[in-house]
Amino acid sequence: DVQLLESGGGLLQPGGSLRLSCAASGFIFSNYGMSWVRQAPGKGLEWVSTISYSGGTTYYADSMKGRFTLSRDNSKNTLYLQMNSLRAEDTAVYYCAKDISDSRTRDAFDIWGQGTMVTVSA
Amino acid sequence: EIVLTQSPATLSLSPGERATLSCRASQSVSSFLAWYQQKPGQAPRLLIYDTSNRATGIPARFSGSGSGTDFTLTISGLEPEDFAVYYCQHRSDWPITFGQGTRLEIK
Repeated sequence: DVQLLESGGGLLQPGGSLRLSCAASGFIFSNYGMSWVRQAPGKGLEWVSTISYSGGTTYYADSMKGRFTLSRDNSKNTLYLQMNSLRAEDTAVYYCAKDISDSRTRDAFDIWGQGTMVTVSA
Repeated sequence: EIVLTQSPATLSLSPGERATLSCRASQSVSSFLAWYQQKPGQAPRLLIYDTSNRATGIPARFSGSGSGTDFTLTISGLEPEDFAVYYCQHRSDWPITFGQGTRLEIK
């Protein structure tokens, strides 16, 4: 079964840091670009960041640049999102998602994890 | 940044009816548009990619069309499980963006 399992969410104060993980199984992880998409409570979907299959290239939404770092360990089939200088507006469910194709820089997302909640509050 | 505007915000229909959801882009996204379905408490589910290609396991009642800036998701013969929120997403350029969603509710 193709699966993504996020972990690492929690409650923290503004200015804090958190690292999210996404464990992949059921497909050749190292062949696919991977992304994080977030959803604030009661709101729509917001793309956060994408990493190439090799990990050599990353892309970020403007509001996350300089604060978030996306990385991957293909030997462990795991994706990571390091989030620093967190703000109240970063409060959201964070989903990891897999590119549908193994050959495109930007893609649609065919497999999603169940999400992990990040709450930033004083 | 390419802005995707979905309409209507809410669509009220009965099971068996045909649903037509719209997504308009602020500039051309070629055919690089996808549609997702999301139910409460669940992750989004990919329905359609690159305008008209159904994802694996998606029933034939879901179809997509359009090009450039105007796109449509059609659900022919609504089933009870189709009532959900639908999002469009482009992959034409960075940043990837999503529409604000259309809520499909039971009339």
